[in-house]
Amino acid sequence: QKEVEQNSGPLSVPEGAIASLNCTYSDRGSQSFFWYRQYSGKSPELIMFIYSNGDKEDGRFTAQLNKASQYVSLLIRDSQPSDSATYLCAVTGSGGSNYKLTFGKGTLLTVNP
Amino acid sequence: NAGVTQTPKFQVLKTGQSMTLQCAQDMNHNSMYWYRQDPGMGLRLIYYSASEGTTDKGEVPNGYNVSRLNKREFSLRLESAAPSQTSVYFCASSQGGDSPLHFGNGTRLTVT
Repeated sequence: QKEVEQNSGPLSVPEGAIASLNCTYSDRGSQSFFWYRQYSGKSPELIMFIYSNGDKEDGRFTAQLNKASQYVSLLIRDSQPSDSATYLCAVTGSGGSNYKLTFGKGTLLTVNP
Repeated sequence: NAGVTQTPKFQVLKTGQSMTLQCAQDMNHNSMYWYRQDPGMGLRLIYYSASEGTTDKGEVPNGYNVSRLNKREFSLRLESAAPSQTSVYFCASSQGGDSPLHFGNGTRLTVT
């Protein structure tokens, strides 16, 4: 069973700080990695995806991928109270299962004003 | 452009009753998925359809059946509901391959 592990949190940061969310995965053949944000009672919404080793930046968000360490992270700069949500890491399967996403259980982030 | 539409939003069933959850997407996506989300368990894949005319089991398929009616629609059926199927159900679609998923708003199902 392919696994995606996240610290469940809660992670609490003050407004304006950098929030760092981490994720590890077990399938060494995984090629695509996604971060979703889910507000309480709502559906997951895509924040970022990353396919290559290194960093990918989009506004206040930076995704970092290290395939050798099987590790992917999400940094949120200048955190805002509206960023308070559960963040889900998702990883595709390898080979013929590349369209099957496995999700971590999520990290609850709280940004305090 | 509605994206992924799920119906109903809420449903209460008695043990043994059957029902079908409906899902439709208007993004011309090839692949569609059904997930369930339970506290402490995260999102788990029930069934998926990589393309029109194909369906396959995910991580937790027992007690469910699916139908890919056409490219737009993918339904999930509970033939004999059990309390263990109390959950929030999400339908999602994607262009296919390793493209991102787009989720519907979910169906909150309670089985008593």
